[in-house]
Amino acid sequence: DQQVKQNSPSLSVQEGRISILNCDYTNSMFDYFLWYKKYPAEGPTFLISISSIKDKNEDGRFTVFLNKSAKHLSLHIVPSQPGDSAVYFCAASEGSARQLTFGSGTQLTVLP
Amino acid sequence: DAGITQSPRHKVTETGTPVTLRCHQTENHRYMYWYRQDPGHGLRLIHYSYGVKDTDKGEVSDGYSVSRSKTEDFLLTLESATSSQTSVYFCAISDFDSYGYTFGSGTRLTVV
Repeated sequence: DQQVKQNSPSLSVQEGRISILNCDYTNSMFDYFLWYKKYPAEGPTFLISISSIKDKNEDGRFTVFLNKSAKHLSLHIVPSQPGDSAVYFCAASEGSARQLTFGSGTQLTVLP
Repeated sequence: DAGITQSPRHKVTETGTPVTLRCHQTENHRYMYWYRQDPGHGLRLIHYSYGVKDTDKGEVSDGYSVSRSKTEDFLLTLESATSSQTSVYFCAISDFDSYGYTFGSGTRLTVV
């Protein structure tokens, strides 16, 4: 049973528009959430994170929103650029455990 | 990625043979992880280590063993490779002051 779910395997967006990637989780003990980006033939790289004590975190064009009651988080990319085309993984951590549980990923394609 | 290297990058092996993948870090990080990436499953934890000679099982540990005799090296062994172990394997590192991981570039393993 997947504790972190990304229900959209793929998303296409026009350059300059907003990209919204979604992630749901089932484990109420998760208290830290991260997004990773992955290009082909490379390892995932950290993008942005959020603690459960917050509901929003921004870093440049990237914003992560957390809705704890719905057990839902989303990543907004504004404006989207062709270089943002990659697979995006949502991940979650529980308490002091140093293990991340990952979702299945969403392939984002930004069309020029 | 700087500070973490995986070897080999690519390997083709026959069913039933043992295979060892190596992860080497120069960051002196305490925690090391092995994940596998498969379509539709995202990244799944195989084994992890929280110090020299301290390891534990992850979500998909059957058929795999690990060893960590030095801080910088974390070895993943497939005791008798099967076709279901064809995958891309990622090593990751983290330290006590960070929830995020730094990933290696991955090893693409094909079992024929």
